Amino acid sequence: GAGVSQSPRYKVAKRGQDVALRCDPISGHVSLFWYQQALGQGPEFLTYFQNEAQLDKSGLPSDRFFAERPEGSVSTLKIQRTQQEDSAVYLCASSFSGGTGGEQYFGPGTRLTVT
Amino acid sequence: LAKTTQPISMDSYEGQEVNITCSHNNIATNDYITWYQQFPSQGPRFIIQGYKTKVTNEVASLFIPADRKSSTLSLPRVSLSDTAVYYCLVGVRDYKLSFGAGTTVTVRA
Repeated sequence: GAGVSQSPRYKVAKRGQDVALRCDPISGHVSLFWYQQALGQGPEFLTYFQNEAQLDKSGLPSDRFFAERPEGSVSTLKIQRTQQEDSAVYLCASSFSGGTGGEQYFGPGTRLTVT
Repeated sequence: LAKTTQPISMDSYEGQEVNITCSHNNIATNDYITWYQQFPSQGPRFIIQGYKTKVTNEVASLFIPADRKSSTLSLPRVSLSDTAVYYCLVGVRDYKLSFGAGTTVTVRA
């Protein structure tokens, strides 16, 4: 079956531009997560949705980062006024439930380069 | 969340067994130990999870001693396609996965 998909796979933005990154989770998965992965590092948690509710956004690095999941399926991560330090791979993951267990299914990521 | 320590990198050859040990001295009673694998240009992929003793699946084995202060991921008879970064995660109580830097395993022909 289809896994988690993300688009675009690559995005180049000039500093100061706004970007929107899309995530299509696995159908039926209740929980959706966004992570940021800097070069050579492991992914770091950004935010978590259960259905359409954003239950945790503690990992968002600044108020320029905004995520939404209005209908409880597709999610968009938006970054306003991009800065060079925003350059990273943005990973989306989904799971059937958001509870303990740890198994999250990741998409391939969107590599954002801010020039 | 329990802090984990694992080697930065490991080299191996095709057909060999690779063992990656992760230290987690302050693991809590309720914590599970989970390993993820990440290939270049892909997201992490769940490999295996365990609480104590030994867990085995079609991909790997996970050995956890009685004190649970460490764990060892064992990859039998590796091939070139097993070259990846392997992450040890402890304390996955809810939804926040904490990855660390992982261990880069390079398999050579």
